[in-house]
Amino acid sequence: GESVGLHLPTLSVQEGDNSIINCAYSNSASDYFIWYKQESGKGPQFIIDIRSNMDKRQGQRVTVLLNKTVKHLSLQIAATQPGDSAVYFCAETGSGGFKTIFGAGTRLFVKA
Amino acid sequence: EPEVTQTPSHQVTQMGQEVILRCVPISNHLYFYWYRQILGQKVEFLVSFYNNEISEKSEIFDDQFSVERPDGSNFTLKIRSTKLEDSAMYFCASSTIWGSGTQYFGPGTRLLVL
Repeated sequence: GESVGLHLPTLSVQEGDNSIINCAYSNSASDYFIWYKQESGKGPQFIIDIRSNMDKRQGQRVTVLLNKTVKHLSLQIAATQPGDSAVYFCAETGSGGFKTIFGAGTRLFVKA
Repeated sequence: EPEVTQTPSHQVTQMGQEVILRCVPISNHLYFYWYRQILGQKVEFLVSFYNNEISEKSEIFDDQFSVERPDGSNFTLKIRSTKLEDSAMYFCASSTIWGSGTQYFGPGTRLLVL
């Protein structure tokens, strides 16, 4: 069946360092891959997405890389800040477009 | 900035009771979604809704659940005969187009079934 999973449950980085959060997926038919940030007590917040026909997309301080060969997705956060501390979920939208499958989440701790 | 709103923020109910969770999506959005998140776990897709009908639903979304867009602004999730395992945070989301990641999530309703 479909599954989206994360390699590490927690990640601790020093403020100012770059963070890399990884994710594996299994559904080759997925059309979009998305990263969400969830702060305590809040709903997921869209960070960046990438379509399956791309391998890299950059946003403000964030970059998403997609490796379809090994079904791997990563989120890179440059110059990590304390405000980046949250749980990060990767997700995929299937070929039909109406169903989004979330991964298990990685908690990012940023040490000042 | 427009945002998705949800009411109530917290709901406590007795097992077997019916609850209705309410959402007001962003006004120009056409696609609506419900998700749930059991404490400490991942976000789980329940259902998507477009053009006044369900587009897709997960295996979680059985006959106990229903969704409705009763007017031009509200989007509701009804849970009939609640069970203890229905206790979770329920998130509503909306988007302008399908397939993209830009779903905007509401703050959630925390449901506790006793």
